[in-house]
Amino acid sequence: GQQLNQSPQSMFIQEGEDVSMNCTSSSIFNTWLWYKQDPGEGPVLLIALYKAGELTSNGRLTAQFGITRKDSFLNISASIPSDVGIYFCAGPGGQKLVFGQGTRLTINP
Amino acid sequence: SQTIHQWPATLVQPVGSPLSLECTVEGTSNPNLYWYRQAAGRGLQLLFYSVGIGQISSEVPQNLSASRPQDRQFILSSKKLLLSDSGFYLCAWSVGPSYEQYFGPGTRLTVT
Repeated sequence: GQQLNQSPQSMFIQEGEDVSMNCTSSSIFNTWLWYKQDPGEGPVLLIALYKAGELTSNGRLTAQFGITRKDSFLNISASIPSDVGIYFCAGPGGQKLVFGQGTRLTINP
Repeated sequence: SQTIHQWPATLVQPVGSPLSLECTVEGTSNPNLYWYRQAAGRGLQLLFYSVGIGQISSEVPQNLSASRPQDRQFILSSKKLLLSDSGFYLCAWSVGPSYEQYFGPGTRLTVT
């Protein structure tokens, strides 16, 4: 079945630093989604990508749909404490979503 | 606007007891509905999904079952809980062919 490999698994950064994470698929996707989960809450959809090469921003967050259609990238600029959480990528798998294992972001003040 | 509710928010149950978790969606019709479990704060495991009333697809054979008695209601049940059923249970919905899923606040289940 389809699998998503998300990296890095964990990140420890200083406040104000930029963050980059990525997700790769074993097969071609026509949609990439990025979610953020705060501790003890449900994941929230951050950005949805539908076209190869597409670059979409949501505030300080920018996500890109890789041109090979097998990868996607999420960047966070000038990190702040509320960026702490787990970031998940996801892509279509039949009638369902396939999720990556998540990138846990920790920020040192 | 659409909203999704889950209850209870937290639950502590003894091994062998029954379980019923409820999820309801407001502001949309005929949503696709999903139950996920998340252990140790990482990884979302899809348990069940439904594309309509009475239509349930199971992803993982286990101690749990799901039902959809109404269009916007999704219930997760167990007749006898196991310790391994502990976790964070999330309900989600999507509309039609869209893959965008929207999650509820979750239920934290602890089986003792």
